[in-house]
Amino acid sequence: AQSVTQLDSHVSVSEGTPVLLRCNYSSSYSPSLFWYVQHPNKGLQLLLKYTSAATLVKGINGFEAEFKKSETSFHLTKPSAHMSDAAEYFCVVTGGQAGTALIFGKGTTLSVSS
Amino acid sequence: GAGVSQSPRYKVAKRGQDVALRCDPISGHVSLFWYQQALGQGPEFLTYFQNEAQLDKSGLPSDRFFAERPEGSVSTLKIQRTQQEDSAVYLCASSFPGSEQYFGPGTRLTVT
Repeated sequence: AQSVTQLDSHVSVSEGTPVLLRCNYSSSYSPSLFWYVQHPNKGLQLLLKYTSAATLVKGINGFEAEFKKSETSFHLTKPSAHMSDAAEYFCVVTGGQAGTALIFGKGTTLSVSS
Repeated sequence: GAGVSQSPRYKVAKRGQDVALRCDPISGHVSLFWYQQALGQGPEFLTYFQNEAQLDKSGLPSDRFFAERPEGSVSTLKIQRTQQEDSAVYLCASSFPGSEQYFGPGTRLTVT
């Protein structure tokens, strides 16, 4: 069965400093992995996705993630945090082919202070 | 263009009442998903439609939960005899097969 574990429930950074949100996955076959962001009272938005092409994936708003099979990790990073990045972030794996049910982690709340 | 819309955005139900939650997917999207997001948790899969066919309902927590998509477009999630543990945000997503899922804003259900 597929699953993801987000290693931090809450991450706090200062504006302008790097962001690291950690995610480990478990999958019996080559997975499709995603990061979604959820701002308060707004819908889930796709940040980026990995589907077995390049292992370093670039997404929107300066975020990127690296797929490391040896470590079963898919950590999300951003070089410099903005206040607007404060939100809930979810690491997600598909249950099968892309387009089928998504399996979400429990989420990491990112706080950004000025 | 228009995204996924859900109605109502907020619903308060007394325990034991039946509720119906509506999802309008993006036009042309044949795949439609329902998820349940409890407070402080990630969304959990409930059910999946391809056109009008319900291909997977393995995530529905009990037989009180029922979903339909009779014409392959709008979908309704119905919960009968609501219980307090049903309080959650119910999310709908749509997509083309094999493509990104687009999420609606959700319906926040509170059972009192």
